[in-house]
This record gives sequence, C-alpha cells and structure tokens, in this order.
Amino acid sequence: EPEVTQTPSHQVTQMGQEVILRCVPISNHLYFYWYRQILGQKVEFLVSFYNNEISEKSEIFDDQFSVERPDGSNFTLKIRSTKLEDSAMYFCATSIERSNTEAFFGQGTRLTVV
Amino acid sequence: KQEVTQIPAALSVPEGENLVLNCSFTDSAIYNLQWFRQDPGKGLTSLLLIQSSQREQTSGRLNASLDKSSGRSTLYIAASQPGDSATYLCAVNSGGGADGLTFGKGTHLIIQP
Repeated sequence: EPEVTQTPSHQVTQMGQEVILRCVPISNHLYFYWYRQILGQKVEFLVSFYNNEISEKSEIFDDQFSVERPDGSNFTLKIRSTKLEDSAMYFCATSIERSNTEAFFGQGTRLTVV
Repeated sequence: KQEVTQIPAALSVPEGENLVLNCSFTDSAIYNLQWFRQDPGKGLTSLLLIQSSQREQTSGRLNASLDKSSGRSTLYIAASQPGDSATYLCAVNSGGGADGLTFGKGTHLIIQP
C-alpha cells in the first residue's frame, strides 16, 4: 500500500540552528501538508501546498518556516532558526485532492531543540 | 473558529467489549470527518473518512457515524481486542477555503486482555 515517508525519524538540533524535514508524498497525490504535535497536545495544521505554492497557512506558520518541493519528489519543511518551543512531532500528510478526500499521514519526525 | 472535542479522554475496558468513542465539533459546515489511530510515538493511521453527505462508514469492526446538524460523530468498535489499544483522533475538514484538518485531543483507549 502506498505510504508517506518522512526522514529523519528523529532529529536533535541546537537552538538557533536551521533544520530541514523531508517527506516523500504518495505518487499521485497533489496536495501536501505539514502538521505538528507538541507533546501531550493536539495535532495542529501548519501549511498546505499545491501546484508548487502555499495554498493555506496557519498562524503558527510564521516567517521562520518555509516549504518547498525542490526536486519534484521530496516535500520539505524548513525551520530557519529553531527555538525550544519548536520541539514537537512534525507530520507530513498528502491527499489526492483538496478538502474532500482522505488525508494520509507519514510516521512523523520528532524534532528536539536543545 | 472550528473546535473539536473528544470524550472520554481515556477509556479502559476488558477485551471483547463493544465501545463508543465520541467526537463533537462546533461548526457544522464541514466537508468531511476523519477518524485516525495513533500508536505511542508513531504517525496517524487513517481509519475511516465520512463525507458531509454521508451518515456512516464501516470498515471491519469499526463503524463511524456522522450527525452533521448536531455536530457529532461516534466511532463504534465491536468486539474490542488488545491490539485496538491506541489513541483515537477525530478530525474535521471545514472546507470553505480551509485546507487543514482540525483535530480533537483524542481518546486514549486501553483494552485489557
């Protein structure tokens, strides 16, 4: 069964450093998303991406975050200057279409900022 | 702003019991509702997707219902097994220009052998 693949599974970084989280979407899916889950809290939407541009972003997705699909396969989330409060599980998700179709999630990247 | 609430927050039952997990949402204008399973430290596994025009969906021992007008959904698990132990998350897609899912905090389910 097709699946969303995320790398790395766990990343530890020092505060102020840049990190890039990677995702390989399901091949025929057109919409890509990033979500995060701070330990013990709800899963929160960060951003959606379609046709090589941001479709929607939440209040959390500020200027320190960026997304791109550099090579037509990987979908990346970059955090420019990490803060302690960025420590969370980051999930990539994909769907065939917008809004009315099933979203499939990857296994997540646990980001720890020290 | 859409809010999703799940009750109970935690549930522990003996193996074999049938059980119901509840999800409520504040804005009934949704495109769909999706139930997920999350194992500790793992990703989200999609269980069922109910479109706004549907009343229920079934997959094996799972049955999800949707009452859009009252802002409620239930996930029914029949003949529970220890392998069903996980956190179950409800998420709604509110559409109307909003791409992202709004999640509840989940119900942490333990099935005792």
